Amino acid sequence: RKEVEQDPGPFNVPEGATVAFNCTYSNSASQSFFWYRQDCRKEPKLLMSVYSSGNEDGRFTAQLNRASQYISLLIRDSKLSDSATYLCVVNGSWGKLQFGAGTQVVVTP
Amino acid sequence: GAVVSQHPSWVICKSGTSVKIECRSLDFQATTMFWYRQFPKQSLMLMATSNEGSKATYEQGVEKDKFLINHASLTLSTLTVTSAHPEDSSFYICSVRTPDREDYEQYFGPGTRLTVT
Repeated sequence: RKEVEQDPGPFNVPEGATVAFNCTYSNSASQSFFWYRQDCRKEPKLLMSVYSSGNEDGRFTAQLNRASQYISLLIRDSKLSDSATYLCVVNGSWGKLQFGAGTQVVVTP
Repeated sequence: GAVVSQHPSWVICKSGTSVKIECRSLDFQATTMFWYRQFPKQSLMLMATSNEGSKATYEQGVEKDKFLINHASLTLSTLTVTSAHPEDSSFYICSVRTPDREDYEQYFGPGTRLTVT
């Protein structure tokens, strides 16, 4: 079983719509959770950290469910520029990060 | 955040040759840097943790004699792919973790795309 699992998508989303997707992790001792965004052939860039109480950054909302060991990302009012692959990232041991394979989001006009 | 650079951004080399990739932390001193590899449509896979002034720590299945890591200063780590083969063609990315963060957040360099012919 992979340490971090994501639905690869693609999620095809009309511009202006809302899209949400989850990621599950296997290490119950993980303490830090992130969503990174990766554009094609580029490096990952931090989108937001995910806090226990859930947090929002503009049109992006992240939630953490420790009991079920999943985190979620919701994008409201999708823009064409939101098209990317979203990587779920969880800390493992010794400061290492575990990456999911990513969920592809395609926002269409 | 941290500013991280990598050089070169892309390289094409012949099978059997060696390629060196540099990772630089531009705005702070990084005692720890990480090297990742990403194949198409796959997740980033940690190859090794680069520690300034000491030997790198390699992940299981990563050949330390093939992927030589040198972290000679607090701002520079290098990855040398020795005797490269076509299966080594991949996207190599380094990252740094800022020392003041306890939540393991990392900042990535722009990556180096290696193609071995």
